Amino acid sequence: AQSVTQLDSHVSVSEGTPVLLRCNYSSSYSPSLFWYVQHPNKGLQLLLKYTSAATLVKGINGFEAEFKKSETSFHLTKPSAHMSDAAEYFCVVSGEGGATNKLIFGTGTLLAVQP
Amino acid sequence: DAGVTQSPTHLIKTRGQQVTLRCSPKSGHDTVSWYQQALGQGPQFIFQYYEEEERQRGNFPDRFSGHQFPNYSSELNVNALLLGDSALYLCASSLAETGFKMNTEAFFGQGTRLTVV
Repeated sequence: AQSVTQLDSHVSVSEGTPVLLRCNYSSSYSPSLFWYVQHPNKGLQLLLKYTSAATLVKGINGFEAEFKKSETSFHLTKPSAHMSDAAEYFCVVSGEGGATNKLIFGTGTLLAVQP
Repeated sequence: DAGVTQSPTHLIKTRGQQVTLRCSPKSGHDTVSWYQQALGQGPQFIFQYYEEEERQRGNFPDRFSGHQFPNYSSELNVNALLLGDSALYLCASSLAETGFKMNTEAFFGQGTRLTVV
């Protein structure tokens, strides 16, 4: 069965410092992996996706993630945090059968950005 | 492009009642999935509709049912509401992946906040 584990429920950084949100996955086949962001009272927005192409994936708003099969990890990073990055972030793995079938979400990491 | 639209945005129902939530997919999309997001948790997959049929289902009881119409819009119905059904219900639309349409992306609506009292 597929699953994701987000290792931190809360992360707090200062504006202008790097961001690291950690995610480990478990899958019985080659998965598609995603990071979604959810701002308060808003829907989910796709930040980036890995679908068996390049292992270093660049997304929107300066975020990127690296797929490491040997470590079963897909950590999200950003070199310099902005106040507008404060939100909840979800690591997601696709279910069997395709990249948009039965997305399995982690429990989320709430990112706080201090001025 | 209006993206994925859901209605209503908020809803309050009483235990035991029935509720219907609606979703219009992004233009050009033919597949609709529904998710339940309880407070403080990640969304959980309820089911997915394609070609007006339920294609996949998550671990939800039969009280949760759905429908997809010929124009690809969809409804989520929940019968015999329980307090535990209080959650944000999210709809996601995508293109069905076939041999020549791969690696598509799911777009989410802003959700319907259901409160059961």
